[in-house]
Amino acid sequence: KQEVTQIPAALSVPEGENLVLNCSFTDSAIYNLQWFRQDPGKGLTSLLLIQSSQREQTSGRLNASLDKSSGRSTLYIAASQPGDSATYLCAVNFGNEKLTFGTGTRLTIIP
Amino acid sequence: NAGVTQTPKFRVLKTGQSMTLLCAQDMNHEYMYWYRQDPGMGLRLIHYSVGEGTTAKGEVPDGYNVSRLKKQNFLLGLESAAPSQTSVYFCASSGSGGLVNTEAFFGQGTRLTVV
Repeated sequence: KQEVTQIPAALSVPEGENLVLNCSFTDSAIYNLQWFRQDPGKGLTSLLLIQSSQREQTSGRLNASLDKSSGRSTLYIAASQPGDSATYLCAVNFGNEKLTFGTGTRLTIIP
Repeated sequence: NAGVTQTPKFRVLKTGQSMTLLCAQDMNHEYMYWYRQDPGMGLRLIHYSVGEGTTAKGEVPDGYNVSRLKKQNFLLGLESAAPSQTSVYFCASSGSGGLVNTEAFFGQGTRLTVV
């Protein structure tokens, strides 16, 4: 079964620190992986999309990496800010019109 | 540019009532999707559409119907609501080639409670 796991479920980090969020998936034959941000009671905002042929993608203070062989992706956030507090979701496309989501990591940045 | 817009944002239904959730996108996307989000389970695909006039079942389609009469709209219907359908519903769309090629854009969600 194709599954996506995000550990830990929650993470608290002091403001200014760099941090890494983890995503693992059970099948290495993926088409792409997408990271989203979700604020409480809100929708999902797309952060980064990594295609299977890519190793990483960057947007501002965010950097996402992809290692298909080990079934892992990481989202690196540099110089964290209180405004980064949100739930971060990882979603994998295994080759059909469906994204398989992890249950997310709830990030709290402590001022 | 509004992106993906869902109507309504909140709704309370009694068991057995029916309702329709509306999703509209202004990005000229071919592909549209309905997901539900439940605590501890992640988002799960209900139905999707690869173009105007087409629909297909996703992971959890039972109890729901959909229609895609216009390219920009994707409707999700509940014919006889059940408490198990209490959830947050998200609509999404993607562009040319679908999810194997492009990213998904999500709406703000509809919080539905069935009592």
